[in-house]
Amino acid sequence: GNSVTQMEGPVTLSEEAFLTINCTYTATGYPSLFWYVQYPGEGLQLLLKATKADDKGSNKGFEATYRKETTSFHLEKGSVQVSDSAVYFCALSDPYSSASKIIFGSGTRLSIRP
Amino acid sequence: DTEVTQTPKHLVMGMTNKKSLKCEQHMGHRAMYWYKQKAKKPPELMFVYSYEKLSINESVPSRFSPECPNSSLLNLHLHALQPEDSALYLCASSQTPDEKLFFGSGTQLSVL
Repeated sequence: GNSVTQMEGPVTLSEEAFLTINCTYTATGYPSLFWYVQYPGEGLQLLLKATKADDKGSNKGFEATYRKETTSFHLEKGSVQVSDSAVYFCALSDPYSSASKIIFGSGTRLSIRP
Repeated sequence: DTEVTQTPKHLVMGMTNKKSLKCEQHMGHRAMYWYKQKAKKPPELMFVYSYEKLSINESVPSRFSPECPNSSLLNLHLHALQPEDSALYLCASSQTPDEKLFFGSGTQLSVL
């Protein structure tokens, strides 16, 4: 079945450091891929998405590229800020299901030190 | 209005109580969802309503009963819950079942 595997956290970085959070997936067909972010005490927010191979999603300085050959969708940011501290979830949706069943990875907690 | 509003934000209930969680959106979305999230875990899908009809029930125990009175509202009725049901309950909506999800802030439920 479909699944998402993320690197385990927590990840702790200093402000202005480079960020990579790894995500790989297993899926039949051609899923859409997402990164969601959850700030403390809040629900999830869509950060970025990509719907086909080689697409690059980007938002708020974050980027991720849909790599079909390596089944990966790694999240990157060139210079993190304290305000980026949150839990990040990689997710996929199966476009062939009758209703959207988003499958989430286990989440990666990111903490940024001033 | 791009918000999904959930009430209450916090709820404490005993195992014999009956309570309801409410969710509302005014974005014209036709798919609405209930997720359960335990601490430090990803959200787990419970129910999906598509065009006001229940389309997915992920084998959720009958002590959880969803209701979609109209296209803007989604309720989750709770009865005879167990302490292990304590979690953050998230509502979400999307334009159609295949579009991106918009989440509410959740209801933090504690069952004593």
